[in-house]
Amino acid sequence: DQQVKQNSPSLSVQEGRISILNCDYTNSMFDYFLWYKKYPAEGPTFLISISSIKDKNEDGRFTVFLNKSAKHLSLHIVPSQPGDSAVYFCATSAHGSSNTGKLIFGQGTTLQVKP
Amino acid sequence: GAVVSQHPSRVICKSGTSVKIECRSLDFQATTMFWYRQFPKQSLMLMATSNEGSKATYEQGVEKDKFLINHASLTLSTLTVTSAHPEDSSFYICSARDPSEYQETQYFGPGTRLLVL
Repeated sequence: DQQVKQNSPSLSVQEGRISILNCDYTNSMFDYFLWYKKYPAEGPTFLISISSIKDKNEDGRFTVFLNKSAKHLSLHIVPSQPGDSAVYFCATSAHGSSNTGKLIFGQGTTLQVKP
Repeated sequence: GAVVSQHPSRVICKSGTSVKIECRSLDFQATTMFWYRQFPKQSLMLMATSNEGSKATYEQGVEKDKFLINHASLTLSTLTVTSAHPEDSSFYICSARDPSEYQETQYFGPGTRLLVL
C-alpha cells in the first residue's frame, strides 16, 4: 500500500512558466517532508524540506506548500528552467520513539522543461 | 548540504562473484546510513539501514546473507552483493543522515551501477 503517492508520472512545462509537482500521503503521523531531484544514473539531490509546523517554505525558485488537512504537499518551481528537467521525488518521515530515520518515497514525477 | 560519495560508480562482474560497494560521508560523521536500490523507471526501494557499530536492519524481503552490510566507522558503510546473479543488476544508492541536523534529511551518494553478466 503506497503511503506516499505522486499521481502524475510526468509533467511538461514551457521555460519561464511555473512547474507544480504534487504529492499525497496517507499517514497523519508524518511530520517532515522533503523533495529530491534526480538525474538518470545519479543519486537524488536534496532540494527543499518542510516541517509539519509550517505550511510553506521557500528557497529561491523553489517553494513547498503543505496542506495537512488534505495530506497534500506540492513543489512549485518558478520560473522553470531547462536544467530543472529531471525526476522529482517527494519523501516523508515520522518522528517518534520508533523513528529510525527512514524516508518513504513517492514514485517520482518526470519534469520536462521545454526551451 | 552534506557530501556523500560512493565507489565504484560502475561495476561489471561475472555471475557468482561478490561485489563490494563503499559509501562514505565526507564532511560529517554518520551514525546511520541507508542503502537503496532502484530499478529502471521505478522509485527508490530501501534495502536496509546501516547502523555504526551494530547490525544492519533489513527491510522485508531483502536477504541479509545476500546483501552484507558493514558500518565499521562513522564515515564508511559497505554493501557486499554476494554471489551476484544477473537479477541483482541494478542501481544501488546509499544515503546518510547528518546527526548535527535536527531534521532527518538524508544526503545521497551518486549511486553505483551494477551489471552482472
